[in-house]
Amino acid sequence: DIQMTQSPSSLSASVGDRVTITCQASQDINKYLNWYQQKPGKAPKLLISDASNLETGVPSRFSGSGSGTDFSFTISSLQPEDIATYYCQQYDNLPVAFGGGTRVEIK
Amino acid sequence: QVQLQESGPGLVKPSETLSLTCTVSGGSVIANYWSWIRQPPGKGLEWIGYISYSGHTNYNPSLQSRVTISIDTSKNHLSLKLNSVTAADTATYYCARVGVRIAVFGVVIPSWFDPWGQGTLVAVSS
Repeated sequence: DIQMTQSPSSLSASVGDRVTITCQASQDINKYLNWYQQKPGKAPKLLISDASNLETGVPSRFSGSGSGTDFSFTISSLQPEDIATYYCQQYDNLPVAFGGGTRVEIK
Repeated sequence: QVQLQESGPGLVKPSETLSLTCTVSGGSVIANYWSWIRQPPGKGLEWIGYISYSGHTNYNPSLQSRVTISIDTSKNHLSLKLNSVTAADTATYYCARVGVRIAVFGVVIPSWFDPWGQGTLVAVSS
């Protein structure tokens, strides 16, 4: 099975800061990677598909990049409403798998 | 737009069967693939399995021996059954619409999950 490793597991940043989360796959997954946002007490929401494709209606401060085994997710200017846990998810092979999550907090 | 709502008992006894339903509104189950995903309290997400509109299924090997996903097109809902539950099965269970990609040899792989239901917490306890 493909393992997805996210880092850091949590971070604290100030409003307006640039925040970057990384996700590493245990083997080459091409660009078959999604990013989700889960706010406290809510279901996850798809933000980015195919490593870098921003879903409709998602603010442009969110972006994704990478291919192969190394991926990154960036919030260019952190906003209070971005407080959430973010998950990567691979769909190169079965079983699909999620990273362990990165909890983002406001400093 | 498509909305999903999970329902079922919030408490199941150890060794018994967990049964949940996901009702789809604003769209038809015939039009898509569907998945169940779970999240233990304070932990990450685990894909359980998917079902197609025609009833084709694929399950996570970690749960394959205990799980069944079915679909009822007349009621526009899908169901999850997980038998022989233990405390480790305590989690919030989500259903979600699935995008798919067709890999080599025609293997269907769930790609994206969107939207998700609000989730239902199931505790396993005597």
